[in-house]
Amino acid sequence: DVKVTQSSRYLVKRTGEKVFLECVQDMDHENMFWYRQDPGLGLRLIYFSYDVKMKEKGDIPEGYSVSREKKERFSLILESASTNQTSMYLCASSPFQARETQYFGPGTRLLVL
Amino acid sequence: QKEVEQDPGPLSVPEGAIVSLNCTYSNSAFQYFMWYRQYSRKGPELLMYTYSSGNKEDGRFTAQVDKSSKYISLFIRDSQPSDSATYLCAMSAENTGFQKLVFGTGTRLLVSP
Repeated sequence: DVKVTQSSRYLVKRTGEKVFLECVQDMDHENMFWYRQDPGLGLRLIYFSYDVKMKEKGDIPEGYSVSREKKERFSLILESASTNQTSMYLCASSPFQARETQYFGPGTRLLVL
Repeated sequence: QKEVEQDPGPLSVPEGAIVSLNCTYSNSAFQYFMWYRQYSRKGPELLMYTYSSGNKEDGRFTAQVDKSSKYISLFIRDSQPSDSATYLCAMSAENTGFQKLVFGTGTRLLVSP
């Protein structure tokens, strides 16, 4: 079974703090993704990576950055957290040969006060 | 207009009923169609995926794609209380390398015993 893990299930941060969300997958997948999920808006792609040190902007990259130093690990960074970044953050991975089949982690609920 | 439309529900059915969940879309370039199941406060779980038009069956689940109508469906036979969840449709196109998924906002399903 594909296993995607995220470092925290729940996080509470203050406005202006730098926030790191970590994601690890154990299936040697080339592609990794970060989404946020908000009621009524569904899942929106923030960034994705198709290889180590490679990244592509998704639909809503503003206020976020990412890092992929190792194939299995993909980090999402909120440089200066704001209240409108309160959301559920979901990491996913997919193999190169089946790029459309993404497997998700359990999610991190982030509350920014 | 959103690229993918999905009725948010909730859809309430008695145990044993046949459930029909649907999505419509506007982008004729979509070729891969996925259904995800998401339990409350968990990450989405890939249920089924199909390529282009036609039907695909897996146990109690059947996925159907009608590209001419830009309409996809997920049927659940003999529904169980454990099927109570939010169901997300997702789609991808070759011009984004198939890896960029566009999600519906999800339909909440409630199956009562």
